[in-house]
Amino acid sequence: DSGVTQTPKHLITATGQRVTLRCSPRSGDLSVYWYQQSLDQGLQFLIQYYNGEERAKGNILERFSAQQFPDLHSELNLSSLELGDSALYFCASSVGSYQETQYFGPGTRLLVL
Amino acid sequence: AQSVTQLGSHVSVSEGALVLLRCNYSSSVPPYLFWYVQYPNQGLQLLLKYTTGATLVKGINGFEAEFKKSETSFHLTKPSAHMSDAAEYFCAVSASNFGNEKLTFGTGTRLTIIP
Repeated sequence: DSGVTQTPKHLITATGQRVTLRCSPRSGDLSVYWYQQSLDQGLQFLIQYYNGEERAKGNILERFSAQQFPDLHSELNLSSLELGDSALYFCASSVGSYQETQYFGPGTRLLVL
Repeated sequence: AQSVTQLGSHVSVSEGALVLLRCNYSSSVPPYLFWYVQYPNQGLQLLLKYTTGATLVKGINGFEAEFKKSETSFHLTKPSAHMSDAAEYFCAVSASNFGNEKLTFGTGTRLTIIP
């Protein structure tokens, strides 16, 4: 158990819908990262937050957004969902933001029908 | 920019045999290197990491990796494979860029252990 929690574990929804994925980092960790794992794209970095502020963006679609709240939990919002958004979404956390070890949550498996 | 190449998307070894999973990286700055393991239907677990200092890094479950700067490699090895090692293994690189600490992952190597 990494100490990072993600909810829900599974999510099934329809095209065009909007969903919110939630992540609670390890106690004391200030950085949160979101990754997408799909069969065709592999593991890809989406976005990083550090202490409430966006720090870096990766291959995140404009339909996707995220935020980190004062209590340091983070939410990833996916809207206008398409079939291709079906994937495993991981959250990771680290203590700081300088090449720290990232600890991964169990992931949320999203299926868009 | 950084990148990771994992040679061999599937590797099969007999139980008790040497495990060797290959990883080559590209980075414009001194990299931090990681190996993660993913068991079926689970998240990623850190096996080991290289930051600075000793180039031979020991991790959990008997795995180790050696950082070779001249070869830009960070291959993962284990002297004797166990059935429980069957999983997918990911090599990743992190190269600091003003706080952008994203991990860049390889495409993964699925390890199968033959009884």
